[in-house]
Amino acid sequence: QQKVQQSPESLIVPEGGMASLNCTFSDRNSQYFWWYRQHSGEGPKALMSIFSNGDKKEGRFTAHLNKASLYVSLHIKDSQPSDSALYFCAVTSGGNYKPTFGKGTSLVVHP
Amino acid sequence: EAAVTQSPRNKVAVTGGKVTLSCNQTNNHNNMYWYRQDTGHGLRLIHYSYGAGSTEKGDIPDGYKASRPSQENFSLILELATPSQTSVYFCASGDQGEEQYFGPGTRLTVL
Repeated sequence: QQKVQQSPESLIVPEGGMASLNCTFSDRNSQYFWWYRQHSGEGPKALMSIFSNGDKKEGRFTAHLNKASLYVSLHIKDSQPSDSALYFCAVTSGGNYKPTFGKGTSLVVHP
Repeated sequence: EAAVTQSPRNKVAVTGGKVTLSCNQTNNHNNMYWYRQDTGHGLRLIHYSYGAGSTEKGDIPDGYKASRPSQENFSLILELATPSQTSVYFCASGDQGEEQYFGPGTRLTVL
């Protein structure tokens, strides 16, 4: 069964700083990797996906994937107080409709 | 804009009572999902569905049933509610490997 672990559990960064969130997974057949963000009192919303090894940049957000090392990460540049939220990594194996979510990283960006 | 709605938004039930949580999506997605979210556990998959008439067990199905009568609707049923099922429940829709769209959540308290 797929295991997805996120670190750190919580992270505090100053406004304008860089936030780095990490995620490891156990199934080498994993194919689909998504990052979700959840603000307090809301449902999670998709932030970005990455399906190929390497880096993918979308604005201030960069995702990195290394399938051989079973590792995916999210980096937030120039962090803003509005980025304060719970961030989830979600991993789906090929041929499988069941995504597995990590337990999340709580990010606080203080002004 | 893809939309997933849930009802009720808040529910208080008594131990041993029956609870039905409803979900509707207008995204025309084949796949729908029910998760529960608890502090320290992240999002855990209870049941999911590939399409109308199908239901599959997720990672924590015990004590829950699901029903998918149509493409748009997916219900989660607690036949005999217990205090351990107090949680926030999220419904989502999304095709394999693609972004999942989450509803706003239902806060369930079982007394």
